[in-house]
Amino acid sequence: DAKTTQPNSMESNEEEPVHLPCNHSTISGTDYIHWYRQLPSQGPEYVIHGLTSNVNNRMASLAIAEDRKSSTLILHRATLRDAAVYYCILRESGTYKYIFGTGTRLKVLA
Amino acid sequence: GAVVSQHPSRVICKSGTSVKIECRSLDFQATTMFWYRQFPKQSLMLMATSNEGSKATYEQGVEKDKFLINHASLTLSTLTVTSAHPEDSSFYICSASTGQGHNQPQHFGDGTRLSIL
Repeated sequence: DAKTTQPNSMESNEEEPVHLPCNHSTISGTDYIHWYRQLPSQGPEYVIHGLTSNVNNRMASLAIAEDRKSSTLILHRATLRDAAVYYCILRESGTYKYIFGTGTRLKVLA
Repeated sequence: GAVVSQHPSRVICKSGTSVKIECRSLDFQATTMFWYRQFPKQSLMLMATSNEGSKATYEQGVEKDKFLINHASLTLSTLTVTSAHPEDSSFYICSASTGQGHNQPQHFGDGTRLSIL
């Protein structure tokens, strides 16, 4: 199973940008990088995904390294509602399974 | 956007009871759904892949006779925890994908908190 490594926790001040890193050195050429976040007692919420190029949507931006062995989720202006556990996941080609890592618990300070 | 609904959201029952959890894709058809379990302060652990019209595929270490999965239609998968015991208490979450491509994101339900007394 392709694995991802993320810091256990990060802190950010409200209204400042947040860069959440993820290492995936064993990524294969067809694995997409997916990011989700999970609030307490809820299911994970889709944030963004990409393959090679950087991606932007209304929630966040995803910066993917040229060698694809790492990526960074960027929240442009953190709010208190962005406090959650953020998961970086590689979707297995063929089975389409998600194998969750430990994720990063983001704390946003007012 | 795509919505996945789980029912019930919370169950409290006695040891030895069998509990059924439903997962529905409300506005799309899902040939494949996934079931996860999450213990407090831990990550999600994939239990099984539910395939419409065929047998589920279970992850290593997950007892298929304990966790019965039925995917009878393109919008409904059920997980039945048979003869539940306190160690089965957990947060159970399902997900479904709108397509088969591995660039298609999964959409998750809001989970079912199961408490066995």
